[in-house]
Amino acid sequence: GAGVSQSPSNKVTEKGKDVELRCDPISGHTALYWYRQSLGQGLEFLIYFQGNSAPDKSGLPSDRFSAERTGGSVSTLTIQRTQQEDSAVYLCASSRAGTFTGELFFGEGSRLTVL
Amino acid sequence: GQQLNQSPQSMFIQEGEDVSMNCTSSSIFNTWLWYKQDPGEGPVLLIALYKAGELTSNGRLTAQFGITRKDSFLNISASIPSDVGIYFCAGPYPNTGNQFYFGTGTSLTVIP
Repeated sequence: GAGVSQSPSNKVTEKGKDVELRCDPISGHTALYWYRQSLGQGLEFLIYFQGNSAPDKSGLPSDRFSAERTGGSVSTLTIQRTQQEDSAVYLCASSRAGTFTGELFFGEGSRLTVL
Repeated sequence: GQQLNQSPQSMFIQEGEDVSMNCTSSSIFNTWLWYKQDPGEGPVLLIALYKAGELTSNGRLTAQFGITRKDSFLNISASIPSDVGIYFCAGPYPNTGNQFYFGTGTSLTVIP
């Protein structure tokens, strides 16, 4: 499809396990964002990639969280040694480079449940 | 991090009523955005505001960029059932390029 694609849509894991969440942005979009949305809460900024620049990791809550973006396209958010408080919907968004319109296109999210 | 506070936190209204919600920031913003999130979906941009005092409409939606640049308002006229969802304000945190922060959200329920 032409939109932002995220996988898996749902992930249930046990406390202490590692998880990987994938985001495939819209073709041609060089900016990519990860947000976390806990139940009934707003969107918490995690990390931002823009082209080949160093990512802005200022929103990552702990060193258990990391993200990569390979080839300027697909991104993977990794959570190591998951904790129950990591349970949330993880949303990915992309936008065109050089525009400041705020038009972030979001995927449907990956719902993570840590038991 | 940047705090964008929205009020009210939730609203329950009758179909046909008008809705007003607002967003306030502790810092000056140069751009204000309003998004809507349907259940199980990602947020979608509704309206973007780029200038203090600007008033912009999109169908039944009207948004305003506050004069102080620390607030914004969203109004929905003649609400319909499909207006149900969570409304978020957002904006780029000053001097961070395209790092967008989102508000705490206003949950809207429309009773037919």
